[in-house]
Amino acid sequence: QKEVEQNSGPLSVPEGAIASLNCTYSDRGSQSFFWYRQYSGKSPELIMSIYSNGDKEDGRFTAQLNKASQYVSLLIRDSQPSDSATYLCARGRGDMRFGAGTRLTVKP
Amino acid sequence: EAGVAQSPRYKIIEKRQSVAFWCNPISGHATLYWYQQILGQGPKLLIQFQNNGVVDDSQLPKDRFSAERLKGVDSTLKIQPAKLEDSAVYLCASSNSNQPQHFGDGTRLSIL
Repeated sequence: QKEVEQNSGPLSVPEGAIASLNCTYSDRGSQSFFWYRQYSGKSPELIMSIYSNGDKEDGRFTAQLNKASQYVSLLIRDSQPSDSATYLCARGRGDMRFGAGTRLTVKP
Repeated sequence: EAGVAQSPRYKIIEKRQSVAFWCNPISGHATLYWYQQILGQGPKLLIQFQNNGVVDDSQLPKDRFSAERLKGVDSTLKIQPAKLEDSAVYLCASSNSNQPQHFGDGTRLSIL
């Protein structure tokens, strides 16, 4: 079982829609979770961090964490073509482990 | 604030040759990480330094990969000899005091 699992996609949504990205993890002791955005040929860029159960909102992005279900999600509201990228879910800090990423395409 | 600097950006070598990558972390960041990202996969941690000491190198193929961080600032990652499966992007990241990591632009390595 992989430590962090994501649907590889690709996920395609129309402009203005909500994009929903999901991630599960195997280490029940994990306390820190992150979403990184990676444009093609670029390095990962941190967009959200979440440490407590529940929702955390930042602009058009909402991260959701459910430790009991070992589940993390990222919602992108009012999706824009510029949101087209691969989204990486990661758990941990010093021992960070990444999922394989979900490729999102937002169509105009 | 200057970001994580890496060089070179691209490198093409033949198998069995050696190669080295360089990383300069964000000023003041005590923790430095090297990741390998194969096309279509997420980054895989190769080695983590805290200042100039190794914290985690459990996923570093030590028969061919080596890394050092002299004086607790810059770091180099070396591969000798390279294999075809080493073709990947090598990412350096740094962080401070358990804060999230910030990544450099990476070095894209192609093995012929």
